[in-house]
Amino acid sequence: EVQLVESGGVVVQPGGSLRLSCAASGFTFDDYTMHWVRQAPGKGLEWVSLISWDGGATYYADSMKGRFTISRDNSKNSLYLQMNSLRTEDTAFYYCAKDERRYSYGALDYWGQGTLVTVSS
Amino acid sequence: EIVMTQSPATLSVSPGERATLSCRASQSVSSNLAWYQQKPGQAPRLLIYGASTRATGIPARFSGSGSGTEFTLTISSLQSEDFAVYYCQQYNNWPQTFGQGTKLEIK
Repeated sequence: EVQLVESGGVVVQPGGSLRLSCAASGFTFDDYTMHWVRQAPGKGLEWVSLISWDGGATYYADSMKGRFTISRDNSKNSLYLQMNSLRTEDTAFYYCAKDERRYSYGALDYWGQGTLVTVSS
Repeated sequence: EIVMTQSPATLSVSPGERATLSCRASQSVSSNLAWYQQKPGQAPRLLIYGASTRATGIPARFSGSGSGTEFTLTISSLQSEDFAVYYCQQYNNWPQTFGQGTKLEIK
């Protein structure tokens, strides 16, 4: 059974930094692209970033470029999101999600339950 | 960035009836289009990928169609558990983008 468990969400002040983690199990982690998607409370979904199966390629939404860094450790079946220069508008649930295609880029077939990041003074 | 526009924003339908949700892309996304269902307090669930392929475990009453810029999600006979918010997503271009969602509510 595929499981994705996010952690690291806390309350942080504007301008602060935070690192989210996602522990994956139930599938061959290093075969799949992984994604982060966020959702502000009561709002819609916003794609944040992806990292290829081998970590060789990363992509970001424009509003996160230069502030967020996605990474992975295939030896630990773990995905990370380093978030710097946080703004109040970054307040959201952050979901880790698995790509449905092996060695490629596709839709998101499994999602974690999310971790809440609150940016507030 | 490709803008995904969903319509209507809210759709009121009676159980047992058919629901048709639309998604339009600001430029062609080929068939690289997915649909997700989200219920309150839950993570999204993949329903359809490749515009028309049902994900694992998704009932046959859910179907997707379209290509290019116009897409449709049809739920043939609404069950009580189908009332939720539905999102489309394109993964043809970077950045990947979601529509703003359609809330399907009980009439």
